[in-house]
Amino acid sequence: QQQVKQSPQSLIVQKGGISIINCAYENTAFDYFPWYQQFPGKGPALLIAIRPDVSEKKEGRFTISFNKSAKQFSLHIMDSQPGDSATYFCAAARPGNQFYFGTGTSLTVIP
Amino acid sequence: DTGVSQDPRHKITKRGQNVTFRCDPISEHNRLYWYRQTLGQGPEFLTYFQNEAQLEKSRLLSDRFSAERPKGSFSTLEIQRTEQGDSAMYLCASSPTGNSYNEQFFGPGTRLTVL
Repeated sequence: QQQVKQSPQSLIVQKGGISIINCAYENTAFDYFPWYQQFPGKGPALLIAIRPDVSEKKEGRFTISFNKSAKQFSLHIMDSQPGDSATYFCAAARPGNQFYFGTGTSLTVIP
Repeated sequence: DTGVSQDPRHKITKRGQNVTFRCDPISEHNRLYWYRQTLGQGPEFLTYFQNEAQLEKSRLLSDRFSAERPKGSFSTLEIQRTEQGDSAMYLCASSPTGNSYNEQFFGPGTRLTVL
C-alpha cells in the first residue's frame, strides 16, 4: 500500500512559470514532510521540509504548503528555471523512522 | 568531501552471484538507512541502524539480503544468489541522533545490474 501518493507523474513548465507538485498521506502519525530533488545518476538531495505545526514554509523560490486536515502537502517552484529540471519526491516520516516516498514527479522546464 | 559515500557506484553481476556494497555515512551520524530505488519509483526502505544495532527491517529484505554495521561507522549490504529482480539503485542515507527533524542525507547510490 502506497503510504504517500504523489501527482502528477510528469510536468512540463515554461521557464518563469510555476511548478506545482502534490502529495497526500494517510498516516496521521507522520510528523515530518520533506521534498527531495534527484538528478539522473545522483542520490536524492533535500530541498525543503516542513513540520505539521505550520501551514507554509518558503525557502527562496521553493514553497511547501501543508494542509493538515486534508492530509495533503504540495511543493511550489516559483520562476521555474531549466536547471530545476529533475525528479522530485515527496516523503513522510515519523520521528527517527524510515521515510515513505512518493513515486516521483519528473519536471521539465522548457527554456 | 564530507557527504555520504557509497562504493561501488556501479556493479554488473550474473544471476546467482553474491554482491556486497559499502556505505560510509557522514561522520558522527548515528543513524544509517538503506533504500532500494527502481526505475521510475521512489526509494523504498530496506533497513535501518542506530549505531551498530539493526533496528528495523522491511519485508522487502528477503533472507538473501543481509546488512551489517559492525562498529557503528560504515555499513555493508550483501545480496546472496542475486536475481534479475534485484537490479536497482541501492541508496544509503545517514542522519544524526537527536535530530528531531529526521533530515536524511543520501549518498549517490550503487546501481546494480543482474544479467
